[in-house]
Amino acid sequence: GAGVSQSPSNKVTEKGKDVELRCDPISGHTALYWYRQSLGQGLEFLIYFQGNSAPDKSGLPSDRFSAERTGGSVSTLTIQRTQQEDSAVYLCASSSLAVPGELFFGEGSRLTVL
Amino acid sequence: SQKIEQNSEALNIQEGKTATLTCNYTNYSPAYLQWYRQDPGRGPVFLLLIRENEKEKRKERLKVTFDTTLKQSLFHITASQPADSATYLCALPGGYSTLTFGKGTMLLVSP
Repeated sequence: GAGVSQSPSNKVTEKGKDVELRCDPISGHTALYWYRQSLGQGLEFLIYFQGNSAPDKSGLPSDRFSAERTGGSVSTLTIQRTQQEDSAVYLCASSSLAVPGELFFGEGSRLTVL
Repeated sequence: SQKIEQNSEALNIQEGKTATLTCNYTNYSPAYLQWYRQDPGRGPVFLLLIRENEKEKRKERLKVTFDTTLKQSLFHITASQPADSATYLCALPGGYSTLTFGKGTMLLVSP
């Protein structure tokens, strides 16, 4: 597609359940990023992929959070045993190294943990 | 790590006026600085990038300045329109080609 695609757009889950969020970046973009945005807060960096490897996982808030990227394309962010404080919008972005740092964002996945 | 400060209070201006938003940062001066626009329920959209050796950058009604001495960037929208109402985010490079974002300033342009 023309832009970054994220699914699901909305997810409501019960505390303790696992969730998977998917990101399909712009074709050819080698860099992929996950950010989290809580209500009224700024963007919180979670993880960065270059190709299939993740040189920077420093933003993952706990070991309940994990992410993978396969084939240098689609990425999945998994949250295990969800907690209410995990409720937020999870934003994915991709970038081409040809343009330093400019990120192209998806519309986000809104996660609500009841 | 870099700390980015943007005015948390919304900026209210009248249509036709110039809006000026401020981004201040601490610590090291970055090689570049970016501005993004975010509408409610949407992902941020890139607007402008300005490099450390550029004092000013323009794009249509947008103008960005970058003062590495003051550690400040100013973002101007001239002849503002209600459609310019949004939250504007400042972003600086972090480690490993990542971007660190400010919390953003909401701009409200009244007709």
